[in-house]
Amino acid sequence: DTAVSQTPKYLVTQMGNDKSIKCEQNLGHDTMYWYKQDSKKFLKIMFSYNNKELIINETVPNRFSPKSPDKAHLNLHINSLELGDSAVYFCASSQVASGGLAKNIQYFGAGTRLSVL
Amino acid sequence: DAKTTQPNSMESNEEEPVHLPCNHSTISGTDYIHWYRQLPSQGPEYVIHGLTSNVNNRMASLAIAEDRKSSTLILHRATLRDAAVYYCTRASYGKLTFGQGTILTVHP
Repeated sequence: DTAVSQTPKYLVTQMGNDKSIKCEQNLGHDTMYWYKQDSKKFLKIMFSYNNKELIINETVPNRFSPKSPDKAHLNLHINSLELGDSAVYFCASSQVASGGLAKNIQYFGAGTRLSVL
Repeated sequence: DAKTTQPNSMESNEEEPVHLPCNHSTISGTDYIHWYRQLPSQGPEYVIHGLTSNVNNRMASLAIAEDRKSSTLILHRATLRDAAVYYCTRASYGKLTFGQGTILTVHP
């Protein structure tokens, strides 16, 4: 019973296409995240939602649009895919601690490997 | 964008302790230090976190320098299953800032 699940696991597509990656968590957490891991293995946060509200939005092209229909889901839609979008995308979730966001532990999905040809 | 810096790689023998260092000289007073590890083809997995005091859990220990500019993750007895990339991160209001990580190789 996977805690944070992403679909699809692999996504191969052509430049210019639009694609979506779905993420669901069954941990009852109130905060979800999207990270991008490039070929050099650097992990960088893209977005974060707390109770369906956007709270972190890093410098990400507006071709990337997150959508949170409810607390348990955070989907990532990408328009007009480019070669540079090829990476592994990780979804994560956490329960914000009463002391603030700083010490919350994040649980990650297994990743979606996106290849843009 | 303040980062953490770690050695690119380290090696250990099975059953021996491993000390993984991390520098975070620009950390602010409210940032927590988190450690995650990533096994091949998997997402990062939480290991341990702390603010000022040393911390222990079933997976590892975390030693934090008094000035908080560095920390060390300690695996008391490395196993082959501990071979992974270990990331030291700063946690600031929900945002984890990852460094390049340390690739840990464990020899039988």
